[in-house]
Amino acid sequence: NAGVTQTPKFRVLKTGQSMTLLCAQDMNHEYMYWYRQDPGMGLRLIHYSVGEGTTAKGEVPDGYNVSRLKKQNFLLGLESAAPSQTSVYFCASSYSIQNEQFFGPGTRLTVL
Amino acid sequence: SQQGEEDPQALSIQEGENATMNCSYKTSINNLQWYRQNSGRGLVHLILIRSNEREKHSGRLRVTLDTSKKSSSLLITASRAADTASYFCATDWGMDSNYQLIWGAGTKLIIKP
Repeated sequence: NAGVTQTPKFRVLKTGQSMTLLCAQDMNHEYMYWYRQDPGMGLRLIHYSVGEGTTAKGEVPDGYNVSRLKKQNFLLGLESAAPSQTSVYFCASSYSIQNEQFFGPGTRLTVL
Repeated sequence: SQQGEEDPQALSIQEGENATMNCSYKTSINNLQWYRQNSGRGLVHLILIRSNEREKHSGRLRVTLDTSKKSSSLLITASRAADTASYFCATDWGMDSNYQLIWGAGTKLIIKP
């Protein structure tokens, strides 16, 4: 089992460009999450999903959109990237809302 | 809006010594989780402790929870170089459809050989 995978691993964007980060899990988890991690800080939740076709806002959702068209995939979109979105993005999944979360390896995004 | 805060921010000890990290939180919780993050990698779950539990063990790890003080501690015994990592606590917040884990800023642990 691959667990949670993320693509791409690295990306450099110019301000105003758009991109989509892909997260995939093969554990049949209902719950999936997108976080960002900035230096010296813990994870902050961007959006999450409690099942196929459902999404909800987290702590810092502005500037991001998400979609969960298939149970195993959770996409994070940046429509118009800004330098403030330079960060490391982590995807995670879990069996239920109160169980441990399994994390992907992260995507390091730089917006110039 | 951090719920969990770790203390200390950084800890450097000799290999073989014990390492203790603390986590404090602000509101009532259902459970508290500890995770490890090696440099540049994703987080790995260590232990989940529920609000009705006071202590939990997993190998060289021991977690305690004091709900009256709204605090938890993670003890790593007989530390090894491979334990060098950042350690995060996460507490649950919210209810029903707006349930989230809130993360602390982490404790950076360095084990010196």
